[in-house]
Amino acid sequence: EAQVTQNPRYLITVTGKKLTVTCSQNMNHEYMSWYRQDPGLGLRQIYYSMNVEVTDKGDVPEGYKVSRKEKRNFPLILESPSPNQTSLYFCASSTGFGKLFFGSGTQLSVL
Amino acid sequence: AQSVTQPDIHITVSEGASLELRCNYSYGATPYLFWYVQSPGQGLQLLLKYFSGDTLVQGIKGFEAEFKRSQSSFNLRKPSVHWSDAAEYFCAVGASGTYKYIFGTGTRLKVLA
Repeated sequence: EAQVTQNPRYLITVTGKKLTVTCSQNMNHEYMSWYRQDPGLGLRQIYYSMNVEVTDKGDVPEGYKVSRKEKRNFPLILESPSPNQTSLYFCASSTGFGKLFFGSGTQLSVL
Repeated sequence: AQSVTQPDIHITVSEGASLELRCNYSYGATPYLFWYVQSPGQGLQLLLKYFSGDTLVQGIKGFEAEFKRSQSSFNLRKPSVHWSDAAEYFCAVGASGTYKYIFGTGTRLKVLA
């Protein structure tokens, strides 16, 4: 089954404790991206990647890092999380500008 | 700068009534336009997209949208709403050449039985 898998589904952490949210797709898509969803703000793009070792900033990249060492994986790294990064995070993949396939989301709470 | 505006935060309609969700965008060239739906606790699912050609686009679940360049709009419509359409709807624009997507803030649809 074609899917984008994010882990974990829920995460509670404390300020400053490094964390990684994993994202994996099994559709051989070149394009992958990360979004955060906040009430009243919709989805905002954090980072995106057009292929292995090719990444670029979206609209809200501050405080986040990504890497694309393999085509299927695109982890989101928060080196020093802060409470303003409490949000619902989505990973997505697609072939170019086609249909975005979204993961089920990761609800992150930073205390 | 590119932007997407969904002026209606909440919309309530009765089951069987028609629906129109508004979307206005700001972009210097012809954009790639999308409508996505998010059911509670779920990720987003593509309803339809417009890249070029016929300005009236058909999507899944009986939805359609019309691209109007003169009004910079891409409104979503459905002639008869079902209770299962209750969800949040997002309009998005893609910037060609950059692979950046801009999403609107969403419209939450409530359907009355």
